[in-house]
Amino acid sequence: NFMLTQPHSVSESPGKTVTISCTRSSGSIVRNYVQWYQQRPGSAPTTVIYEDDQRPSGVPDRFSGSIDSSSNSASLTISGLKTEDEADYYCQSYDSSNHGVFGGGTRLTVL
Amino acid sequence: QVQLVESGGDVVQPGRSLRLSCEISGFSFSSYDMNWVRQAPGKGLEWVALIWSDGSKKYYADSVKGRFTISKDTSKNTLFLQMNSLGPDDTAVYYCARDCSGGRCPLYWGQGTRVTVSS
Repeated sequence: NFMLTQPHSVSESPGKTVTISCTRSSGSIVRNYVQWYQQRPGSAPTTVIYEDDQRPSGVPDRFSGSIDSSSNSASLTISGLKTEDEADYYCQSYDSSNHGVFGGGTRLTVL
Repeated sequence: QVQLVESGGDVVQPGRSLRLSCEISGFSFSSYDMNWVRQAPGKGLEWVALIWSDGSKKYYADSVKGRFTISKDTSKNTLFLQMNSLGPDDTAVYYCARDCSGGRCPLYWGQGTRVTVSS
């Protein structure tokens, strides 16, 4: 099995761009799709990126996902930050045995 | 539109059982894989179980294997999670989530149902 490691927290100013990383501990990051979820306090998660770089309908194009095989990591980039983007963000993937794996989550503060 | 509504959460004593339900609407239940994911108080998300669209394959996290069973009733458009031998570490909000069309990518989430295991 593998782990997905995210920074515990990131912060940035409104209007700026922030990138959250998600590093896979073993096995290639390109082997299994990566998803990203946003969770505001007291609310259920919502999907902002699926299958590495796909945006669900209704998610603004300020959100983008990418994969970097050289660092074996996935990234979520949010541009034009808004205060409403302040939330916890989780990356997620599956292993070869169809077991889900979540990253530990990143708290985004927009200040 | 896609809707997932969980129910069945409760306060239960250690060692007891509980069955969670997730009623779906807005899509064909037989066409998508489904997951259960949980979140303990103040903690991150933890994947619990996956069932294939046709119900033929089921997968479990090591932490619940042998105690939890995922199932579905297509005629009732309902996903279930039977939880036995509950312990304090099972205290969490439980979410059901529908995969995307390609599978292995939870896309739509319910609002969650709370399970508290305490004596």
